[in-house]
Amino acid sequence: AQTVTQSQPEMSVQEAETVTLSCTYDTSESDYYLFWYKQPPSRQMILVIRQEAYKQQNATENRFSVNFQKAAKSFSLKISDSQLGDAAMYFCAYRSAGGNKLVFGAGTILRVKS
Amino acid sequence: DTEVTQTPKHLVMGMTNKKSLKCEQHMGHRAMYWYKQKAKKPPELMFVYSYEKLSINESVPSRFSPECPNSSLLNLHLHALQPEDSALYLCASSQEFTRRETQYFGPGTRLLVL
Repeated sequence: AQTVTQSQPEMSVQEAETVTLSCTYDTSESDYYLFWYKQPPSRQMILVIRQEAYKQQNATENRFSVNFQKAAKSFSLKISDSQLGDAAMYFCAYRSAGGNKLVFGAGTILRVKS
Repeated sequence: DTEVTQTPKHLVMGMTNKKSLKCEQHMGHRAMYWYKQKAKKPPELMFVYSYEKLSINESVPSRFSPECPNSSLLNLHLHALQPEDSALYLCASSQEFTRRETQYFGPGTRLLVL
């Protein structure tokens, strides 16, 4: 069975600075997808970024980028120029290419200081 | 349009009540999901519907009864719930059988069982 580990329960970042959230996963599969979801307090969970395992190029979405290290089974999220609106719980998630079940990590609470 | 809607937003019910949660999407997605989420925890998968048929039941107690009347609607019928069932119930949807499948989440129904 696949597992996803987020080892940082909480992180803090100063507004306008950069922060990296860590995620590692365990799988014996070679074809899969990785996701970062953001869930602000009492608000909707939204997709931040997605990475296909067969693509070596790291995904980027504006201020959000990932460092995908397939051999190390690592998938970290970098948030540049942090904004107050980035404060949220961030979940890393894994999905097999042939399945539709998401395996979530425990989450990291990100606090942004002004 | 990546919108999944859920009603009601909040629900308070007694242990003898019967209530239903509703979820709707108009993205043409053929897979729909129910998750249960406790505070500061990741979502836990409950049910998956694929092409209006129940494809995954994660050993959920029978007091939760899902229903998929058509490809756009998903219901969760609740009966004789326990206080420990109090949680945020999330609905999600995704395309099926595409490599770029991503789950999109609704805002959730916050349920309190007294």
